[in-house]
Amino acid sequence: GESVGLHLPTLSVQEGDNSIINCAYSNSASDYFIWYKQESGKGPQFIIDIRSNMDKRQGQRVTVLLNKTVKHLSLQIAATQPGDSAVYFCAESASGTYKYIFGTGTRLKVLA
Amino acid sequence: SAVISQKPSRDICQRGTSLTIQCQVDSQVTMMFWYRQQPGQSLTLIATANQGSEATYESGFVIDKFPISRPNLTFSTLTVSNMSPEDSSIYLCSVEVSGGLSYEQYFGPGTRLTVT
Repeated sequence: GESVGLHLPTLSVQEGDNSIINCAYSNSASDYFIWYKQESGKGPQFIIDIRSNMDKRQGQRVTVLLNKTVKHLSLQIAATQPGDSAVYFCAESASGTYKYIFGTGTRLKVLA
Repeated sequence: SAVISQKPSRDICQRGTSLTIQCQVDSQVTMMFWYRQQPGQSLTLIATANQGSEATYESGFVIDKFPISRPNLTFSTLTVSNMSPEDSSIYLCSVEVSGGLSYEQYFGPGTRLTVT
């Protein structure tokens, strides 16, 4: 079946550096992708999304890149801060379905 | 966006008992979802709850074990029945909100359940 997976379970980054979190998806029919941030003891928080008709979308300090050729999604966080420490999930869905398939998650640790 | 609250935030229950989790949204939404997140793992969809219709369950989840109510457009409950230690997990409620061309899902804070 379709699945969404992440390459790196844990990522440690020095404060002030840029972070890149990767995600691979397998369902070629997926056309909508979301990145979520989950802090300890909290529910996932929406960060940024992208549709398949785009290959890049920028938010505040975050950029999502989509490569449909290799079914790869990445989240870039600029000037990583201690408050960015959390688990990050990617999720995918296909048009006509409300179902989201979540990746396994990457824990981002920001080192002071 | 939507603001979602859940009750209880956490509970410790004995095996064989049942727990009902409440989810309240600050606006009317059509679609509400219940997820399970086992310790250190990702989110798995349990069921979709639309107001006025039976909940739709995902593979591996059944109504007898996880009965759901959706009495109105701002509220839903999930019951975890006849609990066993394997049911220890975080249970999350989410809602879908239309954001123009996209349908974003917003999550509640979760209910952390421990079954002893």
